Amino acid sequence: QKEVEQNSGPLSVPEGAIASLNCTYSDRGSQSFFWYRQYSGKSPELIMFIYSNGDKEDGRFTAQLNKASQYVSLLIRDSQPSDSATYLCAADTGNQFYFGTGTSLTVIP
Amino acid sequence: DTAVSQTPKYLVTQMGNDKSIKCEQNLGHDTMYWYKQDSKKFLKIMFSYNNKELIINETVPNRFSPKSPDKAHLNLHINSLELGDSAVYFCASSLDRDSLHGYTFGSGTRLTVV
Repeated sequence: QKEVEQNSGPLSVPEGAIASLNCTYSDRGSQSFFWYRQYSGKSPELIMFIYSNGDKEDGRFTAQLNKASQYVSLLIRDSQPSDSATYLCAADTGNQFYFGTGTSLTVIP
Repeated sequence: DTAVSQTPKYLVTQMGNDKSIKCEQNLGHDTMYWYKQDSKKFLKIMFSYNNKELIINETVPNRFSPKSPDKAHLNLHINSLELGDSAVYFCASSLDRDSLHGYTFGSGTRLTVV
């Protein structure tokens, strides 16, 4: 079992819709969680991090964390074609930093 | 004024050769990493250095040898390259080993072994 699991997709949403990306993790000791966006041929860039249960909003992005269910999600409101990328979930156990395999998102104009 | 810079960006070489990838960060971070990203986009950590000290050394063939001359630099030397070494190698840095604010990645080095 991988430490961080994501549905690889591809996920397609129409422009203006909400995109919902999900991630589960196996290590209950994981302390902090991150969402990275990676455009094709580019390096991952950090878009959000979350430590506490609940929601954290930043512009069109909302990260949600449920430690009891070991579940992290990222919602992108008013999706734009420029949001089309691979989204990587990552968890920091305190000893190690694990990435998921990413979910490919396509926003259709 | 790139934060984490890697060179070269592309590297094409024959099997059996030895090559190096260099990484430098100007963020004042204490911790640096090498990650390998395969064709399925899976990012796997290889090494981590904190203030020039090796702190993570995953199960990586000993043909791969990292070197950190100071906390701003982390280089990766690969001996006797094999076809399976073809991947994108990312350098990254974080403020400290707790990485509570995530990593900053370099632009990657696409290594192709032929």
